[in-house]
Amino acid sequence: EDKVVQSPLSLVVHEGDTVTLNCSYEVTNFRSLLWYKQEKKAPTFLFMLTSSGIEKKSGRLSSILDKKELFSILNITATQTGDSAVYLCAVMDSNYQLIWGAGTKLIIKP
Amino acid sequence: SQTIHQWPATLVQPVGSPLSLECTVEGTSNPNLYWYRQAAGRGLQLLFYSVGIGQISSEVPQNLSASRPQDRQFILSSKKLLLSDSGFYLCAWSVLGDFLDTQYFGPGTRLTVL
Repeated sequence: EDKVVQSPLSLVVHEGDTVTLNCSYEVTNFRSLLWYKQEKKAPTFLFMLTSSGIEKKSGRLSSILDKKELFSILNITATQTGDSAVYLCAVMDSNYQLIWGAGTKLIIKP
Repeated sequence: SQTIHQWPATLVQPVGSPLSLECTVEGTSNPNLYWYRQAAGRGLQLLFYSVGIGQISSEVPQNLSASRPQDRQFILSSKKLLLSDSGFYLCAWSVLGDFLDTQYFGPGTRLTVL
């Protein structure tokens, strides 16, 4: 059975810290891996990764995929209170179906 | 630009009552449409997806149903709600393509069944 596992489930850090969120997967016919940020409402798209070793970067957020070891990490540097959210990882298979992780709840304390 | 609408935003319904949630997409044609449910503190669960008018695929057996009467309209329904139907319902759309198979979400409907 396909599955996506995120760790940690929750994390509390202080403003200014750097955090690394993990996403490992076992998905037959992998197509892409996506990261989303969910605050109070709907998830918002962050990154889509399809190739190993190529870092995607957006401001203080960056992500990379390792298709050999079947995982991805999401890094957030110089965290701010506005980064507090649930970060969701999902893997899309060749049928364009998304398999979702349970999410990592990140809390940034001022 | 593309936008996705869902309504209502919040709904409180008694057990056994019917349900109809609506989702519409603007600014794109032939989108793939999805209904997800997110129970409190849990991940997203795919309920239905549709690749075209009248084409609905169900991922999990339940007392919910979905319909797609128009290209950019997706409706989630139930004849009799259960307590376990409470949750946050999200509609999403995507366009197939090498770099366009990302799903974008609507604002969601928070359903409480009492």
